[in-house]
Amino acid sequence: ETGVTQSPTHLIKTRGQQVTLRCSSQSGHNTVSWYQQALGQGPQFIFQYYREEENGRGNFPPRFSGLQFPNYSSELNVNALELDDSALYLCASSFWGQGTYEQYFGPGTRLTVT
Amino acid sequence: LAKTTQPISMDSYEGQEVNITCSHNNIATNDYITWYQQFPSQGPRFIIQGYKTKVTNEVASLFIPADRKSSTLSLPRVSLSDTAVYYCLVGDRSPTGRRALTFGSGTRLQVQP
Repeated sequence: ETGVTQSPTHLIKTRGQQVTLRCSSQSGHNTVSWYQQALGQGPQFIFQYYREEENGRGNFPPRFSGLQFPNYSSELNVNALELDDSALYLCASSFWGQGTYEQYFGPGTRLTVT
Repeated sequence: LAKTTQPISMDSYEGQEVNITCSHNNIATNDYITWYQQFPSQGPRFIIQGYKTKVTNEVASLFIPADRKSSTLSLPRVSLSDTAVYYCLVGDRSPTGRRALTFGSGTRLQVQP
């Protein structure tokens, strides 16, 4: 167990809808990253938040957005869902400042878009 | 973005040493190299991280040549429970940088009895 939790575990949405996924970081961590993992592929970086500001972004369109809250929990919002958005969404928390890049991943949210 | 390349799969037997190599030709000066292990339906788990030369912890060693364009994860005496997908990650450790993080394609390691 990493101490990183995600909700919900599974979710089914219809194309065109909007979805919000939630992540609770490990205690003491100030950075959260979100990844999309399609079946059989490696995780793809969506974006990272450090101290409530977006700190880095991968090759994802603006309909993927996020928030990080003062307690370092985080949300991933996806608008106008497409079938290709079906994937496992992972969040990972870490602490910058220790010279390490160790990230602690949550169990993921499985999103299915029909 | 630093692109990484790994073998798609590897097979081994219990008790053997396994070496998985990752190629990252356009690694940047500030980039660290990190390896993760992932079991089905779980998030990746941190194994080891390094910048240059050799790093060792209780579960693995990481070898990085001087040019840092590749890295090798070494798992000593694997067991059946090491059957998993292993990912190489290259990324900027700076909290103020806006560079994306890149997971490799992953190597599926199958350990046989």
